[in-house]
Amino acid sequence: SAVISQKPSRDICQRGTSLTIQCQVDSQVTMMFWYRQQPGQSLTLIATANQGSEATYESGFVIDKFPISRPNLTFSTLTVSNMSPEDSSIYLCSVEGGTNEKLFFGSGTQLSVL
Amino acid sequence: GQQVMQIPQYQHVQEGEDFTTYCNSSTTLSNIQWYKQRPGGHPVFLIQLVKSGEVKKQKRLTFQFGEAKKNSSLHITATQTTDVGTYFCAGRGSGGSNYKLTFGKGTLLTVNP
Repeated sequence: SAVISQKPSRDICQRGTSLTIQCQVDSQVTMMFWYRQQPGQSLTLIATANQGSEATYESGFVIDKFPISRPNLTFSTLTVSNMSPEDSSIYLCSVEGGTNEKLFFGSGTQLSVL
Repeated sequence: GQQVMQIPQYQHVQEGEDFTTYCNSSTTLSNIQWYKQRPGGHPVFLIQLVKSGEVKKQKRLTFQFGEAKKNSSLHITATQTTDVGTYFCAGRGSGGSNYKLTFGKGTLLTVNP
């Protein structure tokens, strides 16, 4: 199993500012995933972060809005840029592991934008 | 693109009653996974189904994968208050750009003691 530390756990931010979320894994992993979970909704994949290359973004998500860093095999950051109230959500980082390619999730960052 | 529909969105039961959530994919899946998210928590992996018609059990939980590998269900027998949470299915497509996991919207289960 993988243990993922994610921070901050929650934040309240002003419109127009940016927030960087950090994700630390206790083992080396090739891919790290960033998800968004809007209130009462499902998990939507934002992007896949690979070490040593540009992140791969899903439809509807762009690098300018959600820049991602992946400096090594155990760490990644997601920045939510120029925030608006519509960005209020839970952001989760995740890695795959085990024989089932199952996902392990961080504890999430609950973001509120005023 | 690949879509995974899950019903019902909410289910409230009395403790001891059974519960079922259903998942349906727009495309054939290579496998399907189920996750549970407790209130205020993060999703936790429950199980993966791979084979057509597969049935797996975990104590009071029974998971099924349809013959066409496009639908799945999770059935809980005699619910307990510890079963409270949102249950998500997540389908993995057959390959290429479809290989990523697509989550259903989840079923929120509440249990009245």
